[in-house]
Amino acid sequence: KAGVTQTPRYLIKTRGQQVTLSCSPISGHRSVSWYQQTPGQGLQFLFEYFSETQRNKGNFPGRFSGRQFSNSRSEMNVSTLELGDSALYLCASSSYRGNEQFFGPGTRLTVL
Amino acid sequence: KNQVEQSPQSLIILEGKNCTLQCNYTVSPFSNLRWYKQDTGRGPVSLTIMTFSENTKSNGRYTATLDADTKQSSLHITASQLSDSASYICVVSAEYGNKLVFGAGTILRVKS
Repeated sequence: KAGVTQTPRYLIKTRGQQVTLSCSPISGHRSVSWYQQTPGQGLQFLFEYFSETQRNKGNFPGRFSGRQFSNSRSEMNVSTLELGDSALYLCASSSYRGNEQFFGPGTRLTVL
Repeated sequence: KNQVEQSPQSLIILEGKNCTLQCNYTVSPFSNLRWYKQDTGRGPVSLTIMTFSENTKSNGRYTATLDADTKQSSLHITASQLSDSASYICVVSAEYGNKLVFGAGTILRVKS
């Protein structure tokens, strides 16, 4: 069974731009969560989607948004990028809400 | 307030030695506790998951313990190998699995 895939793996953007990251969950998994990881803050929860609906949201500004499609694939978007948005963005999927999460390799975003 | 605290923040040990990582939590209501291993630049990978009624669980050279009364968990690594060098993250699931609380992680470096 293929694992969670994230694209792209690496991304370089400049301040003010916007970016879209993609996550394909494990086949059959319906819950997708997004996390931001920085050296100083550890893993910070962004949001969780289940059945195309956002179920939980972390404490991030409205510049961070996401969505989930009918095939459970998910995208997250960050608008008006800031230097502090540089981080590893991780996607995790689970078969159902509350079940064990399986993480993807992450997308390394660098904002210059 | 739901919190997970891990200690030590970082640790350096010699190859072949044992080590123990600590995780204290104040999360309610408790659902389960997971230990993840995260190699640099990769997504976290689950090592163990324990529910309230389990007090020990092993995965090869990794053994996790849970004391639900004192709200403490430990991850013991036996006969460490260079490949054990990674960040180890304790994650507690609350609210019947609908909320995950992440520890900041312990960075382990195994030297030859």
